[in-house]
Amino acid sequence: EAGVTQFPSHSVIEKGQTVTLRCDPISGHDNLYWYRRVMGKEIKFLLHFVKESKQDESGMPNNRFLAERTGGTYSTLKVQPAELEDSGVYFCASSFSVIMNTEAFFGQGTRLTVV
Amino acid sequence: AQKVTQAQTEISVVEKEDVTLDCVYETRDTTYYLFWYKQPPSGELVFLIRRNSFDEQNEISGRYSWNFQKSTSSFNFTITASQVVDSAVYFCALHNTDKLIFGTGTRLQVFP
Repeated sequence: EAGVTQFPSHSVIEKGQTVTLRCDPISGHDNLYWYRRVMGKEIKFLLHFVKESKQDESGMPNNRFLAERTGGTYSTLKVQPAELEDSGVYFCASSFSVIMNTEAFFGQGTRLTVV
Repeated sequence: AQKVTQAQTEISVVEKEDVTLDCVYETRDTTYYLFWYKQPPSGELVFLIRRNSFDEQNEISGRYSWNFQKSTSSFNFTITASQVVDSAVYFCALHNTDKLIFGTGTRLQVFP
């Protein structure tokens, strides 16, 4: 069974450009999460989808970030326009259920560098 | 407030040494779950363990063991007889509602 896959693995863009990150969750997982780790800091929650609906987007830093999950399958996270402080590793995770004893499976992350 | 603190930024040991990674958490919830994840050089976060707040029994899995102490709000992780393959960043996390709250991670380097 395929795990959570993220694309691209690395992205280097210039300030002001647009970047779109993609996450394919594990098949059958309704819950999809985006997290971000800025260099040396904690991994921070960005948002949570249940199927195609945004359940919780309290962690989204600002309106330059747009997440979508059309059809409740894969998700995209677009940053437009990118700023230097957006650099970091963006993780996607999926889980079958949101109850606390359910494990969330993480992807390998997308390392975004804004120069 | 919900918070996870991993005070050790980086630890270096020589192979076969035992090493303990500290994790202290804050929560007002009476029911909660704690996790440890490993991030090897390949980048993905690998689930290691989940512990619920009602179960304070220590757990051992091979060379890994976890010490959960509610009285001190700590959930420490010990690797016995460390190996080079244990080199990674280790994250402790607290489950809150629908998301995980992570600590800043501890980078463990095991030298041969």
